[in-house]
Amino acid sequence: SQELEQSPQSLIVQEGKNLTINCTSSKTLYGLYWYKQKYGEGLIFLMMLQKGGEEKSHEKITAKLDEKKQQSSLHITASQPSHAGIYLCGASKAAGNKLTFGGGTRVLVKP
Amino acid sequence: GAGVSQSPRYKVAKRGQDVALRCDPISGHVSLFWYQQALGQGPEFLTYFQNEAQLDKSGLPSDRFFAERPEGSVSTLKIQRTQQEDSAVYLCASSPYRVPGANVLTFGAGSRLTVL
Repeated sequence: SQELEQSPQSLIVQEGKNLTINCTSSKTLYGLYWYKQKYGEGLIFLMMLQKGGEEKSHEKITAKLDEKKQQSSLHITASQPSHAGIYLCGASKAAGNKLTFGGGTRVLVKP
Repeated sequence: GAGVSQSPRYKVAKRGQDVALRCDPISGHVSLFWYQQALGQGPEFLTYFQNEAQLDKSGLPSDRFFAERPEGSVSTLKIQRTQQEDSAVYLCASSPYRVPGANVLTFGAGSRLTVL
């Protein structure tokens, strides 16, 4: 069963537009991880957030973790076709704990 | 090697057949994970190894699933008497961390199993 809820399940955006993906847990998380999966491939690590209120950016992707450490958002600015894929949030409930993943958000960027 | 290597990439099995899926983690990586990803779903945890020790197998769906990592490097996931519901992509991931709190995992491309 999925303990992490991702929204939306899928997203189609025009190239150049911004997009936001949300990941919500009913419990406080130890760590929140964002991965990207291209169709038919493995997961690529994007970012890790551990502190309440933390925000990290890499190129055009920004991830935030709320103060309660129960919700995270991933924001892509000025999307490009290379941003297409499945974005997965993963979380651990304690140090040394395995990762549990959300159901994923499928992103398609129209040129 | 440079990354996590999995083989075979694709496997078609008849219901009832046994299959073995192989994972070559990054050299020196202590932790190794197996995940099962059904179509359109996120990965579900199966089992975790720290070196050769299987520390968590709570995600294995039945006693038909068995995993080993005898020398602390290559791992094999074996599924006996495959059923149609076993059809999925099986992902292997490794980490250099002994305690997987950091959970920055490097994933392989997966083995796609189709059971007819």
